[in-house]
Amino acid sequence: SQELEQSPQSLIVQEGKNLTINCTSSKTLYGLYWYKQKYGEGLIFLMMLQKGGEEKSHEKITAKLDEKKQQSSLHITASQPSHAGIYLCGALTLIYNQGGKLIFGQGTELSVKP
Amino acid sequence: GAVVSQHPSRVICKSGTSVKIECRSLDFQATTMFWYRQFPKQSLMLMATSNEGSKATYEQGVEKDKFLINHASLTLSTLTVTSAHPEDSSFYICSARRGAGEAFFGQGTRLTVV
Repeated sequence: SQELEQSPQSLIVQEGKNLTINCTSSKTLYGLYWYKQKYGEGLIFLMMLQKGGEEKSHEKITAKLDEKKQQSSLHITASQPSHAGIYLCGALTLIYNQGGKLIFGQGTELSVKP
Repeated sequence: GAVVSQHPSRVICKSGTSVKIECRSLDFQATTMFWYRQFPKQSLMLMATSNEGSKATYEQGVEKDKFLINHASLTLSTLTVTSAHPEDSSFYICSARRGAGEAFFGQGTRLTVV
């Protein structure tokens, strides 16, 4: 079965610093999602990547998917306290019945010190 | 982005009773819906995948008779926790996906069984 390995598990950075979170899959990804969550709350969709080499940016967050479609990174530039939370990468696997299934990595807990 | 409404957000029930959680896609038709369970400080564990009009596909280790999933329409899926026990207490969250596009999440339901 496909597994997602996310690193680091937790991260504390000083406000204004850049950071990167990685997500590695044991199999080729059909789709890779990045979400942000605060525990006990819903997930906020950040970005979806589907093509090898694809890169997307939104405000200060950039996500990339490697050419082999097995590794993705999420990069935050000039971090702010509002960036704090749990970042989850999700992978779409086994396309069947038009749906496939969406599984998640362990998550990365980000704290930003003012 | 699209809106997924999950209800109730919190529920407390007595041991032995059943609880129904609803997940609605408000402004799009969801061809696939996912149900997850999340324990404190852990990632989302996929419980089942449901496609409209067909039976849900459960993940290994998830009891079908315990967690009843119904995806009766393209905008509504329900999860019923039958004969709930304290160990069923958890955060349950649904996701709705439109075709091959993004997956959007509800705000989650905090279930406490006393």
